[in-house]
Parts: sequence; structure tokens; C-alpha cells
Amino acid sequence: AQKITQTQPGMFVQEKEAVTLDCTYDTSDQSYGLFWYKQPSSGEMIFLIYQGSYDEQNATEGRYSLNFQKARKSANLVISASQLGDSAMYFCAMREGRLDAGNMLTFGGGTRLMVKP
Amino acid sequence: DAGITQSPRHKVTETGTPVTLRCHQTENHRYMYWYRQDPGHGLRLIHYSYGVKDTDKGEVSDGYSVSRSKTEDFLLTLESATSSQTSVYFCAIIQDRDSTEAFFGQGTRLTVV
Repeated sequence: AQKITQTQPGMFVQEKEAVTLDCTYDTSDQSYGLFWYKQPSSGEMIFLIYQGSYDEQNATEGRYSLNFQKARKSANLVISASQLGDSAMYFCAMREGRLDAGNMLTFGGGTRLMVKP
Repeated sequence: DAGITQSPRHKVTETGTPVTLRCHQTENHRYMYWYRQDPGHGLRLIHYSYGVKDTDKGEVSDGYSVSRSKTEDFLLTLESATSSQTSVYFCAIIQDRDSTEAFFGQGTRLTVV
């Protein structure tokens, strides 16, 4: 079974509008972390935001926020006021904190976001 | 930027030849990871390490081996390269169990012909 699922292979959003990228995860651990990364066409991986499983508040970083719903095991990324430079691949990832897991870090299949002018 | 370097950045090799990719870090981070990235599959974990000489398999480990004889270096070896191993390979590092960010190398584009 997939640990991280991103159900939207591709999405369009109008410039200046908000967009939500979906991510669901599967773990039996109590302690874990969730990440979002951006990969522009140049190929580098850019860290966006992090949410710990024990964090009670949703994480925010500038225009990025993470809608964390623990009971539903979802960690959706919200980008407000989209810009043309937001066009990229976006990956959700999970770090599992089991003592015997060696801190495994697994990624979803990604969502390609395209911002329309 | 975290000090993480992958080498080589590009490589073309022939089927059946051995290939070793190197991930080098200057951060003294405990955890290191190797991924491959293919269209439609995101980043898939090949192997990871949680300390010197401590490694474990990821979801796509067949055909790959790794070694970590010192903290700063994590080597990925394709014992006998196949065309299905043509991919972009990324290395990542995490400082400790509770880290809130993973740092990535620039990637290695490997083509097996």
C-alpha cells in the first residue's frame, strides 16, 4: 500500500487565486512529520513547509499553509495568491519516527501545478 | 544551503557495467537517503542509512546496493546496470529524528544504453 498518495497528477490555477494540493498518508506511528517540496523545471528540490504529528496548529510559511487533518490522515498544501513562478511539481513526503524504521522518508507521486496568467 | 554534493552529475554507461554514485555531506547529518525519480512515479526510496554501516532497503532496492563507511559519504552502486535503471537519482540528508527539513543534492542523471 502507498504511504503517501497525491491524487491530482496535474492542476491548473488562475494567477492570484488560491489552490489546494491534496495529500493523504498512511502510518501507524504516533510520531511522524509531513513535508512539502517544490520542484521547478530546473530540477532542484525546494523545501516549502513542515508539519509535525504533534503540532496542534497548522503550519504556515508565507503564502504556503498546510491544512493538517490528523484523523483523516490528510496534509493538504494551500498556496494563496498564486504566482506564475509557482508553476512546478509539488511533492508531499512523510518522515516516520519508529525506532526501528531508521527515520524513513517517503514521497508521493507529485502534482504538477500550472498557473495561468 | 546544506553542504550536500552528488557526483557525478551526469553519466552515460553501458548495460552490464557497474556504476557508483556518491553523495557527500559536510553537515554531519545522521540520516542519508537515495531516491530515484521517474516520470509518473515521484521520488521512490532505494536505500537509506541511519548511521555509519547502518543501512536499510527502501521500496525499490532490487539491483542496488549501498555503503556508508563514514558519516559524510553514502555510496549507491548499480552492480550491473540495466536500461530500467536510467533515471535521475537524488540524495537527501536529515540531521536527526525530529528534523523539520530534509536537504537534497542536485541530482544525478544516469543513462544506461
